[in-house]
Amino acid sequence: GAGVSQSPRYKVAKRGQDVALRCDPISGHVSLFWYQQALGQGPEFLTYFQNEAQLDKSGLPSDRFFAERPEGSVSTLKIQRTQQEDSAVYLCASSAGTSGRITYNEQFFGPGTRLTVL
Amino acid sequence: LAKTTQPISMDSYEGQEVNITCSHNNIATNDYITWYQQFPSQGPRFIIQGYKTKVTNEVASLFIPADRKSSTLSLPRVSLSDTAVYYCPTGGYNKLIFGAGTRLAVHP
Repeated sequence: GAGVSQSPRYKVAKRGQDVALRCDPISGHVSLFWYQQALGQGPEFLTYFQNEAQLDKSGLPSDRFFAERPEGSVSTLKIQRTQQEDSAVYLCASSAGTSGRITYNEQFFGPGTRLTVL
Repeated sequence: LAKTTQPISMDSYEGQEVNITCSHNNIATNDYITWYQQFPSQGPRFIIQGYKTKVTNEVASLFIPADRKSSTLSLPRVSLSDTAVYYCPTGGYNKLIFGAGTRLAVHP
């Protein structure tokens, strides 16, 4: 079946521009996550959704970062007034979440969007 | 949640068994230990998960001691295609905390 898809795969922005990154999770997955991965580092947690509810946004680095998932499926990560330090790969992941008494921890990652801010 | 720590890099040869150890001293009681593999220009891919003792699947084994402060991923008979970065994030259903990972290079 189809995995997690992200668009665009590459984005170049001038400093100060706003960008929007899209994530299409696996159909039916309740949980959706955004991570930021700097070059040579592991992914850093940004935010977590359960359906349309954003339950954890503790990893968002500043108020320039905003994520939404209005209908509980597709999600958008928006970065306002981009800065050079925002250059990174932004990964989206989804998981099946909790079904009854079973919790599915495995996260399925998309290929990421590589953002370069000039 | 504290990040995990692992060797920065490892080298091996085709056909050998590779063991990668991860330290997670501050793992929470409810956290699982998972291992992910990442190739260049791709997102991480789940390999195996465990809570304690030993878990084995078709690609790897995971050994977790009783105190759960470390874990060891065992890859039997590696091939060139196992060259990748391996992560051992901790966390639960709502978050994964990654360290810097181990860069494994498999040589012919």
